[in-house]
Amino acid sequence: EPEVTQTPSHQVTQMGQEVILRCVPISNHLYFYWYRQILGQKVEFLVSFYNNEISEKSEIFDDQFSVERPDGSNFTLKIRSTKLEDSAMYFCASGWTSVSTDTQYFGPGTRLTVL
Amino acid sequence: DAKTTQPPSMDCAEGRAANLPCNHSTISGNEYVYWYRQIHSQGPQYIIHGLKNNETNEMASLIITEDRKSSTLILPHATLRDTAVYYCIVREDNAGNMLTFGGGTRLMVKP
Repeated sequence: EPEVTQTPSHQVTQMGQEVILRCVPISNHLYFYWYRQILGQKVEFLVSFYNNEISEKSEIFDDQFSVERPDGSNFTLKIRSTKLEDSAMYFCASGWTSVSTDTQYFGPGTRLTVL
Repeated sequence: DAKTTQPPSMDCAEGRAANLPCNHSTISGNEYVYWYRQIHSQGPQYIIHGLKNNETNEMASLIITEDRKSSTLILPHATLRDTAVYYCIVREDNAGNMLTFGGGTRLMVKP
């Protein structure tokens, strides 16, 4: 069964450093998403991406964040200058369409630790 | 904010049915009810979704009341591996496609 994959599974970085989290969505999916979950808190939406542009973003997704689909298979989340409060699990998800009948499938996540 | 209300925790005996309730009294006509679960800190796993009819798949059954103000997810024979946080999500049509997660119900399946 196709699945969303994410790399790395765990990333440790120093405050102020740039990190890139990578995701390979399910083949043929057209809509891509990033969510995050701070330890002990709810899963929060960050951004959705379609047709090579952001379709929606939350207030968490500020200028420090960017997303890109550099080729036909990868979808990345970049944090330009990490802060301690960026420490969280980051989940990538993908879906075939944008309608509410369509399901989003999540990857296993990347645990980001900012020291 | 999440449009659903779920009990924070529930216990279930292994092999018995787990019935997880969800209230969504402000749901509107074109909004679907989705259920996901999260085992430990893994990525949320899709379980089932529905609009107004009851639905069943290999994982679970979803029972939606006639007025659509509440629903119940049923795991017919819970196993220890079903221990997880279960999220009931009302998904708005054309609302940026995002999923808005609440606190969910922490289901503990006990031997």
